[in-house]
Amino acid sequence: EAQVTQNPRYLITVTGKKLTVTCSQNMNHEYMSWYRQDPGLGLRQIYYSMNVEVTDKGDVPEGYKVSRKEKRNFPLILESPSPNQTSLYFCASSSTVEKEQYFGPGTRLTVT
Amino acid sequence: QQPVQSPQAVILREGEDAVINCSSSKALYSVHWYRQKHGEAPVFLMILLKGGEQKGHDKISASFNEKKQQSSLYLTASQLSYSGTYFCGTESRAAGNKLTFGGGTRVLVKP
Repeated sequence: EAQVTQNPRYLITVTGKKLTVTCSQNMNHEYMSWYRQDPGLGLRQIYYSMNVEVTDKGDVPEGYKVSRKEKRNFPLILESPSPNQTSLYFCASSSTVEKEQYFGPGTRLTVT
Repeated sequence: QQPVQSPQAVILREGEDAVINCSSSKALYSVHWYRQKHGEAPVFLMILLKGGEQKGHDKISASFNEKKQQSSLYLTASQLSYSGTYFCGTESRAAGNKLTFGGGTRVLVKP
């Protein structure tokens, strides 16, 4: 089954404790992206990647890091999380030809 | 800068029609539409790649006016399953390969 998986689905952590949210897709998509969703603000892009070893900032990259060492994986790293990063995070992937984005199930992160 | 969606929310009776608009201040080369049901991930509806293009998905269709930098999503003879939040996403040459989403339009279809 074609899918994007994210782990963990729910995470409660404390300020400053480094964390990684994993994202994996099995569709051989070149393009992968991370979004955060906050009430009234829609989906805001954090980082995206056009292919392996190619990443670029989205609209709200501050406080986040990403890497794309393999085509299927695109982890999101919060090196020193703060309460304003409490949000619902979605990973998405697409082919650069079709452009239809497939979203993962989301990760709800709470930083206290 | 995010595209602007209007209205922010709409309530319909089953069978009624609605229009959701998406406007950008930038010259666009594509517009995507997604629907998100409560507690779920967004799901792709359609993408419009050319000015003047229109597409349909069941009784949901969309148009793209490249000159006005606008797109509209039409919900025709709405069904209960159409309830959810609709997002437009835009791509512009000025923004490179970023897909920028609007703030969303909440649609509630009542029996």
